[in-house]
Amino acid sequence: SQQGEEDPQALSIQEGENATMNCSYKTSINNLQWYRQNSGRGLVHLILIRSNEREKHSGRLRVTLDTSKKSSSLLITASRAADTASYFCAKPLKKLVFGQGTRLTINP
Amino acid sequence: GAGVSQTPSNKVTEKGKYVELRCDPISGHTALYWYRQSLGQGPEFLIYFQGTGAADDSGLPNDRFFAVRPEGSVSTLKIQRTERGDSAVYLCASSSSSVRIGETGELFFGEGSRLTVL
Repeated sequence: SQQGEEDPQALSIQEGENATMNCSYKTSINNLQWYRQNSGRGLVHLILIRSNEREKHSGRLRVTLDTSKKSSSLLITASRAADTASYFCAKPLKKLVFGQGTRLTINP
Repeated sequence: GAGVSQTPSNKVTEKGKYVELRCDPISGHTALYWYRQSLGQGPEFLIYFQGTGAADDSGLPNDRFFAVRPEGSVSTLKIQRTERGDSAVYLCASSSSSVRIGETGELFFGEGSRLTVL
């Protein structure tokens, strides 16, 4: 079964707004990773957050992790049209298991 | 090479035919993964190699699917007697991580091989 389910499945916002995507998981993790996939392309690693971290930043990206709730969120601030993509969380279970993803559309 | 290379980028075949998909990982990466992705879905794990051996092949859907990595670098995913349901994008990724995936680094993905079975 998939570990790491994203919510919402689709999100459409105006350029400049912030986008928040959530990820839930079922079992204990050592870390959680977020990836981006542009249409028709491979996945690109965005950020890894370890189980002992609560928040991590990378440019306009902010990732939080709540191990008590088994959830993580990815916030993209000041969104741009180029941020339009699918975003996946992934959890290492000996292999990296991906969720269904959130399809983000940024409208100019 | 600079990144993970997958060939062919597109493959159209007829039901019942045999298909090979190739993955050339980043030089020096010991771990190699195959995933399958259907439209609108997340990548689905197929198999993972550590060096030449398959460390985890639990995601292969049936015995029509087989993958090799004979010299610990290039890998080939082989699909026998293709079915229309095999149509998907097959993604390859490599990592410099050893046993503990994700604890030390990330997966680097290729652009994928789009397989269409008519």
